[in-house]
Amino acid sequence: EVKLLESGGGSVQPGGSLGLSCEVSGFTFANYAMSWVRQVPGKGLEWVSGISASGGKTYYADSVKGRFTISRDNSKKTVYLQMNSLRAEDTAIYYCVKDHVWSPKCNFDSWGQGTLVTVSS
Amino acid sequence: QSALTQPASVSGSPAESITISCTGTSGDIGYYDYVSWYQQHPGRAPKLMIYDVSNRPSGVSNRFSGSKSGNTASLTISGLQAEDEAVYYCASYSNSNTLVVFGGGTKLTVL
Repeated sequence: EVKLLESGGGSVQPGGSLGLSCEVSGFTFANYAMSWVRQVPGKGLEWVSGISASGGKTYYADSVKGRFTISRDNSKKTVYLQMNSLRAEDTAIYYCVKDHVWSPKCNFDSWGQGTLVTVSS
Repeated sequence: QSALTQPASVSGSPAESITISCTGTSGDIGYYDYVSWYQQHPGRAPKLMIYDVSNRPSGVSNRFSGSKSGNTASLTISGLQAEDEAVYYCASYSNSNTLVVFGGGTKLTVL
């Protein structure tokens, strides 16, 4: 059974930093791209960042470029999202998602349960 | 404002069929065959229902089907059931700076 377990969410002040982790099991992690997708409660989905299976290529939404960094450790079966210079508009549930193939596309076949990030003073 | 345009809501009676549209541009839906659809029930994570325009993941009912014409993708649900009531999102690979774009979501009500 595929499982994705996010951790690291919480509350932070504007301008602060937070790091998210997503530990996976049930599939060969090193073969698949991973992404982070966020959702403001009650609103729609927004793709945030993606990373190729090898970790060699990373991609970001314009809204987070230069502030967020995605990375992965295939030996630990974990993907990370380091979020710096956080803004109120970054407040959302952050989902860790597995892609269907080795390079990020939009075929997210497995989702974590989500972790809430709140940016507020 | 979402990059892909979906109707805010659709409705149908049990056993009927409904179609949800998702309109993009020549830089996303119109160019790539990487279109996916997600179902989200309240308080739950989204679930992949269709990928690569028209493919169903294992375990997804064959009542769900996808298609694409030009810059518009569509999700059709036939034989509506009460448990189909949810919000549906489309997504597409894009050649813009943002690699993946989502639609704003469509609330399906089963009457």
